[in-house]
Formats: sequence, structure tokens, C-alpha cells
Amino acid sequence: NAGVMQNPRHLVRRRGQEARLRCSPMKGHSHVYWYRQLPEEGLKFMVYLQKENIIDESGMPKERFSAEFPKEGPSILRIQQVVRGDSAAYFCASSPRARGTTNEKLFFGSGTQLSVL
Amino acid sequence: ELKVEQNPLFLSMQEGKNYTIYCNYSTTSDRLYWYRQDPGKSLESLFVLLSNGAVKQEGRLMASLDTKARLSTLHITAAVHDLSATYFCAVDMLTSGSRLTFGEGTQLTVNP
Repeated sequence: NAGVMQNPRHLVRRRGQEARLRCSPMKGHSHVYWYRQLPEEGLKFMVYLQKENIIDESGMPKERFSAEFPKEGPSILRIQQVVRGDSAAYFCASSPRARGTTNEKLFFGSGTQLSVL
Repeated sequence: ELKVEQNPLFLSMQEGKNYTIYCNYSTTSDRLYWYRQDPGKSLESLFVLLSNGAVKQEGRLMASLDTKARLSTLHITAAVHDLSATYFCAVDMLTSGSRLTFGEGTQLTVNP
């Protein structure tokens, strides 16, 4: 059973370009979470999705950032018109069911390191 | 807003020594987690602590939780080089549903 798969591992973009980060959850997991880690900092929650639904996007910047988790295929975190401040490691995590009332662990992917030139 | 603070942020220790990493959080939490992260790698779940007085041990690592003091500790016994990594604590509340709030991380280096 492969773990949470993220690609690409490294992504370089110039200012103003778009970045698309992909996350395939573990098999059987229908809940996906995105976190951002700035250098020397802990992870910050961005968004929580189930298949075809955004459940909690309270950590997402209001502009330029969007996320989806379609019925088929990976979850996508999309950053439009990237700026240097978007440079960070973006981690995806998955769980088999909602964590709100359970003790489900989160399984993290290896992350995508985004560098904006 | 829930805040999580770890100390120290950087820790350099000799093999064979003992040390403790501290994790304080600002509001009542239902669950506390410890994760390990190696450079360029994913986060590995170490412990989940659910109740006051909970203590869990795995190898040279032992985690405890004091919900009244809003404090968790990660104790390292007789450190070895393989324990070198960054350790994060994270907390959440059942009412938050989904989000974990992470500490800044403690970068541990164990020197031979």
C-alpha cells in the first residue's frame, strides 16, 4: 500500500506563473489535508477536502490559492500568479475518515518544495 | 486562537545523554501529537496522547501529557545519532474537526 504520494517533489516557478501541486492519498482514504511549511517554522493548516467537497478552507489565503479533490484523480493545490512569499514546502496528508470524532492519524506525503524565482 | 510553542528550538546533545523537549499550548486541547521529520522527508507520527497523565514510550523516546498545565514533554533517553531529526508537537480539538496546529519544531542533533 503506497503512502501519500505528492508530485512534483520540487517545483520552480517564476513570479507570475502558476503552480499546480498534486497529492494522491493513500488507498482507501477519502479525506485530504494541505499544510504549508515555511523555512524554520511548523506546518500551517491550509485546507481540508473530501471527494468533490471543500470542508474547511479557513487556512487558505483569500486570493490566488485554490484546491480541489475531484471524484477521480489526485487532489490539486493551485497557486496562481506566484510570488516569492509563496516559496515553501507544501505537505499533503490523508486519512480514511473524518478526524473530528475519532483518533484517526494523519499520514503525510513527502511534500512539494516550491521555489519562486 | 490556539498557539503551540516548543522549546528548545535547537538542541545539540552528545550520544548517551538524556534530554527533554517541551511543548506548551494555549487552550484546551483534545489530542496532542508528536511527529518526527527528517530533512527533505515526510512527517512520521510518533505518539498520540489523548488524556491527562497519558504516557507513551517507544524505544528511547517517551512522551507525556499534562492537560492541566497544557504541557507535553518528549523525553529522550541515552540519545543515539539516529535520533537526529526535527520533532514537532501538534494539537487539535474535536471541535476543530480537521486542523492540527503545529509547534515550530525542535531541531535535534545528536553528536557522536
